Amino acid sequence: DAKTTQPNSMESNEEEPVHLPCNHSTISGTDYIHWYRQLPSQGPEYVIHGLTSNVNNRMASLAIAEDRKSSTLILHRATLRDAAVYYCILRDVNYGQNFVFGPGTRLSVLP
Amino acid sequence: EPEVTQTPSHQVTQMGQEVILRCVPISNHLYFYWYRQILGQKVEFLVSFYNNEISEKSEIFDDQFSVERPDGSNFTLKIRSTKLEDSAMYFCASSEIGQGEAETQYFGPGTRLLVL
Repeated sequence: DAKTTQPNSMESNEEEPVHLPCNHSTISGTDYIHWYRQLPSQGPEYVIHGLTSNVNNRMASLAIAEDRKSSTLILHRATLRDAAVYYCILRDVNYGQNFVFGPGTRLSVLP
Repeated sequence: EPEVTQTPSHQVTQMGQEVILRCVPISNHLYFYWYRQILGQKVEFLVSFYNNEISEKSEIFDDQFSVERPDGSNFTLKIRSTKLEDSAMYFCASSEIGQGEAETQYFGPGTRLLVL
């Protein structure tokens, strides 16, 4: 799996949007961009994934750069419950099995 | 919403003892995984399991570890002779398919294993 780079930590105020960046300059054409998050004392939880086009779901939006070398996870209105470690993971569509988790970005949400 | 469950939530054991961690994956899922997370560190892949056999394993998954699907619902991780460094949170995960765009792994809440 190709490598991703994320900031170690970020802070946000409650009810404000949060933009979590991820750099993946060595991404290949068949790599999907997946985001998972891990709330305190819980297992990782799927957030969103995409290939080239921006994606929206009930949890978040994923904005993918035109050259695909970076992406941004957008939480439109952060809540205290969104405080977690967010992982950006590349997965080749032709290969399965394990996800490779990096250190992720620890998001703190301030009331 | 269906979810992966794990038991026990916490387990304390003496070094050298055998432990079995249990997981009930989501019912229509065919692929099963174990990951672990040592306190303060990254989530690490241990093993994946499909069609009653191991399909991939990491270097961590040595001869001390084994996995089994003893019946149609449970998926277990056995550590034969626990070591202090096996202390970690162990997560079970399952997915409907094993690869491709639509593959999403669903994780359980974890079992916290403490080896004394």
